[in-house]
Amino acid sequence: AQSVAQPEDQVNVAEGNPLTVKCTYSVSGNPYLFWYVQYPNRGLQFLLKYITGDNLVKGSYGFEAEFNKSQTSFHLKKPSALVSDSALYFCAVRDDQAGTALIFGKGTTLSVSS
Amino acid sequence: GAGVSQSPSNKVTEKGKDVELRCDPISGHTALYWYRQSLGQGLEFLIYFQGNSAPDKSGLPSDRFSAERTGGSVSTLTIQRTQQEDSAVYLCASSYRTGGNIQYFGAGTRLSVL
Repeated sequence: AQSVAQPEDQVNVAEGNPLTVKCTYSVSGNPYLFWYVQYPNRGLQFLLKYITGDNLVKGSYGFEAEFNKSQTSFHLKKPSALVSDSALYFCAVRDDQAGTALIFGKGTTLSVSS
Repeated sequence: GAGVSQSPSNKVTEKGKDVELRCDPISGHTALYWYRQSLGQGLEFLIYFQGNSAPDKSGLPSDRFSAERTGGSVSTLTIQRTQQEDSAVYLCASSYRTGGNIQYFGAGTRLSVL
């Protein structure tokens, strides 16, 4: 069965510091991996995805994520956090061998202090 | 329109009433998804439509929930005899087919069952 784990409910960082939001997954086949961000009272916005190819994926707003097959992880990173990055972040996976919809983690709230 | 449109944005109803939630996907997107976002529970897949194929209803939590998609475009999610546990934000997304394609989300309908 497909599953996604975001082990941290909340991540706190100071503005200007690097940030990491963790995600691990479990699928039977090959994973399609996504990160989305949600601002208050808004829908989810796409940040980046990994389908195949380079393990380091670059996305919107300076975010990037590294696919690690051996650790089944897809952590979201940014070298220098902004206060405006404060939001709820979701990792999602789809198994290329099964299922039609994305399976989402429970989300991680990122709080960036000035 | 340019994005996925959902209506109403907010719906307050009494327990036992039926409600209809509407989703207007991005033009040209053949795949449409409904998800439910409950507080602290992440996103839960409900139902998926792809073109003229039979929908994947595997995520619907009970037979009180149903959805249809008319003409391959607009979709309506119907909840009959609403219960308080149905209170959540209902999100709609659309994409070009499925696989690794990006799902674009609407802002959601916040349903409150009193």
